[in-house]
Amino acid sequence: DQQVKQNSPSLSVQEGRISILNCDYTNSMFDYFLWYKKYPAEGPTFLISISSIKDKNEDGRFTVFLNKSAKHLSLHIVPSQPGDSAVYFCAAKGAGSARQLTFGSGTQLTVLP
Amino acid sequence: KAGVTQTPRYLIKTRGQQVTLSCSPISGHRSVSWYQQTPGQGLQFLFEYFSETQRNKGNFPGRFSGRQFSNSRSEMNVSTLELGDSALYLCASSLAGGHANEKLFFGSGTQLSVL
Repeated sequence: DQQVKQNSPSLSVQEGRISILNCDYTNSMFDYFLWYKKYPAEGPTFLISISSIKDKNEDGRFTVFLNKSAKHLSLHIVPSQPGDSAVYFCAAKGAGSARQLTFGSGTQLTVLP
Repeated sequence: KAGVTQTPRYLIKTRGQQVTLSCSPISGHRSVSWYQQTPGQGLQFLFEYFSETQRNKGNFPGRFSGRQFSNSRSEMNVSTLELGDSALYLCASSLAGGHANEKLFFGSGTQLSVL
């Protein structure tokens, strides 16, 4: 049972346009959400996060939106650049002694020049 | 500061064999987590170690085990390998692993192929 779902395995966007990556979750105990970016042959690297007490967090070209009632979050990249081409993983944490991360299956973003 | 180091980078084994993967966390980090990445499945949590104790465990069979040493280095062992164990195994470290906004830092992974 996947608690964090990324329903789009891939997304192609033109350079300079907006990229929107979506993520849905089912566990209402999740209270912290993160996005990681992964290039081939490298480990995932942290991109941006958001606490459940907020509905938006912005960092440069990257903005994450959280809709708690819909159990949905999205990552917006504006403007998209070819170097943004990577796999993006959505992840969530819940209350608990270790606060392990639960990851989605990832979305391959390709930014076309 | 050196990042998370995983060895080896690539490994080829045959069914029935066992394998040990190694992870050296970032200096000062005491929590080490292991994840399995397969195409279409994302990252599946295996287990987490903190201060040489397994603190959390995912839904993997007992063939998957791990340990952590006093210097926070960690090893993961898979016994009686199956074809389905072919995957990228990622290790991640964090300071203590207990806070909501604590980030995980990942190594580049060990790509295991089981023939």
